[in-house]
Amino acid sequence: GENVEQHPSTLSVQEGDSAVIKCTYSDSASNYFPWYKQELGKRPQLIIDIRSNVGEKKDQRIAVTLNKTAKHFSLHITETQPEDSAVYFCAALAEDKIIFGKGTRLHILP
Amino acid sequence: DVKVTQSSRYLVKRTGEKVFLECVQDMDHENMFWYRQDPGLGLRLIYFSYDVKMKEKGDIPEGYSVSREKKERFSLILESASTNQTSMYLCASSQGGRDTQYFGPGTRLTVL
Repeated sequence: GENVEQHPSTLSVQEGDSAVIKCTYSDSASNYFPWYKQELGKRPQLIIDIRSNVGEKKDQRIAVTLNKTAKHFSLHITETQPEDSAVYFCAALAEDKIIFGKGTRLHILP
Repeated sequence: DVKVTQSSRYLVKRTGEKVFLECVQDMDHENMFWYRQDPGLGLRLIYFSYDVKMKEKGDIPEGYSVSREKKERFSLILESASTNQTSMYLCASSQGGRDTQYFGPGTRLTVL
């Protein structure tokens, strides 16, 4: 079955700098890759997603890239702000089930 | 605006008790999911349902069962709660398998 690995588990960046979170997946048939943000005490919410027919997608300060050959995808946050502090989960769709990575706790340092 | 609600935010039960966690969505979504969230383990799928009365096992179904008698409601049942089932339980729904999942607020279950 699908396996999703996410790195790093914790990431601290200075406010204004960029943050990158990387994920790998095992099932080459996976074709949908959402990213969720979970703020402290709140539910996970979708922030961006990418489908396998696209290599990159951008939404303001957030971008996701997908390398199907290498089976990895990444989340890029530019010009980080305090409100970006949260846990981020990557996920991959396989056989109608979404498999989540273990999450990355992002700290934005003042 | 999609709304997914869960019956309780916090729940404390004793070992051996039968526990019901309820989830309701108001968007006529086909798919519903139950996850548990534990530190360092992320979100793990327990069960999901793609239609009324249909259910599929996720990655960690042992010790759990589910019920989907109506499209909008998906229940998670712990037949005999154990301390290792202490966790945060999150329900989610989506229109299709390849669509955005919308999460409920979560139920923090403590089993003593």
